[in-house]
Amino acid sequence: SQQGEEDPQALSIQEGENATMNCSYKTSINNLQWYRQNSGRGLVHLILIRSNEREKHSGRLRVTLDTSKKSSSLLITASRAADTASYFCAPRGGGGNTGKLIFGQGTTLQVKP
Amino acid sequence: EAQVTQNPRYLITVTGKKLTVTCSQNMNHEYMSWYRQDPGLGLRQIYYSMNVEVTDKGDVPEGYKVSRKEKRNFPLILESPSPNQTSLYFCASSFDWTSGEFFGPGTRLTVL
Repeated sequence: SQQGEEDPQALSIQEGENATMNCSYKTSINNLQWYRQNSGRGLVHLILIRSNEREKHSGRLRVTLDTSKKSSSLLITASRAADTASYFCAPRGGGGNTGKLIFGQGTTLQVKP
Repeated sequence: EAQVTQNPRYLITVTGKKLTVTCSQNMNHEYMSWYRQDPGLGLRQIYYSMNVEVTDKGDVPEGYKVSRKEKRNFPLILESPSPNQTSLYFCASSFDWTSGEFFGPGTRLTVL
């Protein structure tokens, strides 16, 4: 399946440090999306990178995509305590799987003040 | 305000009692979907809809039904709920299948 698998499962850093989360998937994709979830709440869409893009920025977020390795990374620079949340990658399949968005288990990020 | 609303937000019910969780979006989005989130299993897609009257199964459709009679609404129906359907449910919508999704606030369902 195109399910994303995040690594690491948990990450704890100090405020001001950078946080990097990785995502791997198995099949061809149309795009790959990253989401954030604060405990028990709905997911918030952070950034979408299309299969023909290699890097994308949004504020303190930087996403890279390597389709040859079927992997993506999310970098949060100068982290803040408010960035504490779970982060999910979700590859969107190509071909006949365009309707499905399959989430990984997520990376739990803790940013200590 | 652009939003996806779900009702109810919390529901405790008993096995076999039919229920419907409503989902509505005000963004004129074509694509809508339902997910359930369980500890250790992450988010799993139940059903999705690419447009009115077009629905398809996600990864865990068993025990659920959906309908898309109008663009803004995408209700999730549990005809005969069972305890293994106890979960946190999210509805989401997007402009189309290539776009990021807006998520609702979630419905926490407990089936006794």
